Amino acid sequence: DQQVKQNSPSLSVQEGRISILNCDYTNSMFDYFLWYKKYPAEGPTFLISISSIKDKNEDGRFTVFLNKSAKHLSLHIVPSQPGDSAVYFCAAAIEGGATNKLIFGTGTLLAVQP
Amino acid sequence: DAGVTQSPTHLIKTRGQQVTLRCSPKSGHDTVSWYQQALGQGPQFIFQYYEEEERQRGNFPDRFSGHQYPNYSSELNVNALLLGDSALYLCASRPGVSTEAFFGQGTRLTVV
Repeated sequence: DQQVKQNSPSLSVQEGRISILNCDYTNSMFDYFLWYKKYPAEGPTFLISISSIKDKNEDGRFTVFLNKSAKHLSLHIVPSQPGDSAVYFCAAAIEGGATNKLIFGTGTLLAVQP
Repeated sequence: DAGVTQSPTHLIKTRGQQVTLRCSPKSGHDTVSWYQQALGQGPQFIFQYYEEEERQRGNFPDRFSGHQYPNYSSELNVNALLLGDSALYLCASRPGVSTEAFFGQGTRLTVV
């Protein structure tokens, strides 16, 4: 039962253009969402998060949009840089839950072409 | 300030053996979680430790057990290893009330 889905295994974007990574979830109890970036041979690195009381959160080149009615969130990277090439994981949590455990999607491999 | 550190980075074990993986959380973090990442998958929650107690457990068999020490460091033990246990094992820490977790670089376990 995949509660968090990233349906695009990979995405290729030209340097300087916008990268849009998508994530869908099925559990309406999720109220906190996070994006992590992972390079090979490294652990996931926290990128940006959003609470369900917001529909947008911005941090520099990274913006996360949340559409609660569609149970959909997206990560926008503008402008994309070659160093952004990595696997991006979407994760969801129930913030008031006992553990705030993270439920991850399967990831999207982003390749930014110079 | 050191982040989350895990040891060892790589490990090869034989089916049926037992393994212990170690994690030191980021300074100031008292909650440690363990995740298993199989090839091509996202990390899956194994369990979480807080105040030396297992607080919640994911869908993993009893062969997976853990421990947290008073200094908040943690161990993950896996008994009777199966080939399917081959994966990247990630430790994540956070201060008690936060949801953002900080991950270590992981331990790559290969069972042959």
